[in-house]
Amino acid sequence: KAGVTQTPRYLIKTRGQQVTLSCSPISGHRSVSWYQQTPGQGLQFLFEYFSETQRNKGNFPGRFSGRQFSNSRSEMNVSTLELGDSALYLCASSPGQGFNEKLFFGSGTQLSVL
Amino acid sequence: AQSVAQPEDQVNVAEGNPLTVKCTYSVSGNPYLFWYVQYPNRGLQFLLKYITGDNLVKGSYGFEAEFNKSQTSFHLKKPSALVSDSALYFCAVRDDAGNMLTFGGGTRLMVKP
Repeated sequence: KAGVTQTPRYLIKTRGQQVTLSCSPISGHRSVSWYQQTPGQGLQFLFEYFSETQRNKGNFPGRFSGRQFSNSRSEMNVSTLELGDSALYLCASSPGQGFNEKLFFGSGTQLSVL
Repeated sequence: AQSVAQPEDQVNVAEGNPLTVKCTYSVSGNPYLFWYVQYPNRGLQFLLKYITGDNLVKGSYGFEAEFNKSQTSFHLKKPSALVSDSALYFCAVRDDAGNMLTFGGGTRLMVKP
């Protein structure tokens, strides 16, 4: 089985622009979650989706949004980019909606905001 | 609110020696506890988890972790460290009510030959 695929792998944007990141979960997985990783803040939870429904949302401003499609693929969007949005964005998937399921992570999208 | 603390930013150990990476947590309900490892330029990989039952959990690559409810700890251990174990380790907790998965700040493990 193919793993979790995140595209693009690297992205460079300027302040004020918007960006869309994509995540394809492992085939058959219906739950997708997103995390922001920075050296100073560690791993911060962004969103969690199951069957196109947002189950949880982290403490991020409204500029951060996400969605999940019927094929379980997910996208997250950041509008009006700020320098502080520079980070590694990680997507993870799991088979179902169990809270004790292990997550399978992608390699991430490295976003640099100039 | 739930939280995870990894008190050591870095742990240094010699190859062949035992290693411990510490983790304490705070959660309202019953905890689901996880350890993940991250190698350079990669996403996180699952090592092991505690749901219920036996307090000693065995995982991948010879790692194990001990759940201690009274001390709210879930320390990661390995009897004999390898240089290839050098990586960034994250502890995470989620409660049984379905609140979001919360990660600790991470501990860098350095195993020297």
